[in-house]
Amino acid sequence: DTGVSQDPRHKITKRGQNVTFRCDPISEHNRLYWYRQTLGQGPEFLTYFQNEAQLEKSRLLSDRFSAERPKGSFSTLEIQRTEQGDSAMYLCASSPGPLRSYEQYFGPGTRLTVT
Amino acid sequence: AQTVTQSQPEMSVQEAETVTLSCTYDTSESNYYLFWYKQPPSRQMILVIRQEAYKQQNATENRFSVNFQKAAKSFSLKISDSQLGDTAMYFCAFMNRNNNDMRFGAGTRLTVKP
Repeated sequence: DTGVSQDPRHKITKRGQNVTFRCDPISEHNRLYWYRQTLGQGPEFLTYFQNEAQLEKSRLLSDRFSAERPKGSFSTLEIQRTEQGDSAMYLCASSPGPLRSYEQYFGPGTRLTVT
Repeated sequence: AQTVTQSQPEMSVQEAETVTLSCTYDTSESNYYLFWYKQPPSRQMILVIRQEAYKQQNATENRFSVNFQKAAKSFSLKISDSQLGDTAMYFCAFMNRNNNDMRFGAGTRLTVKP
């Protein structure tokens, strides 16, 4: 069990570019969550998946954001036409399933800087 | 909507002493969890302790314990025998069991001094 991993760890991009982040959950965890954490704040929920189904999306997830989990394993989070306000740490977490959704294991995060 | 408030942006404690971090929350739900997470500098967030709202007994995990006051909607974390490795951001979090919506406070930066 290698834990939740995220790639890349750091991403610097210019405003207007598209970026994609990847999250690999703990194997056999069928729930996967995305959060955004801005400097000095706690994480804010963005979306979560039960296997490949995206079950909930926060209103923070604008039309420029899209998340997928095509085979119920890894997930990607894409931000199109990045804006400076998108600069944040993007955290991924996984949990064993709906009956144990309180057990969320976090990855190290991807720090995005939009210049 | 649920909100979580941590009123202490920063705290410090001497090694081996005890410190208490405060957290209050607001909800109309009755079925929920409360958590304290630790985020060391440049490292990933890990769960410190969890409390289920229907349990009256306060949760404990080794040197970490909580004081859960459901009526007051208060959930403080006590760290006993503080160690240098306890230096981190501590986040209080609330999860509604009905929709798995996890809400975090803004965090308390704890520094343990030698």
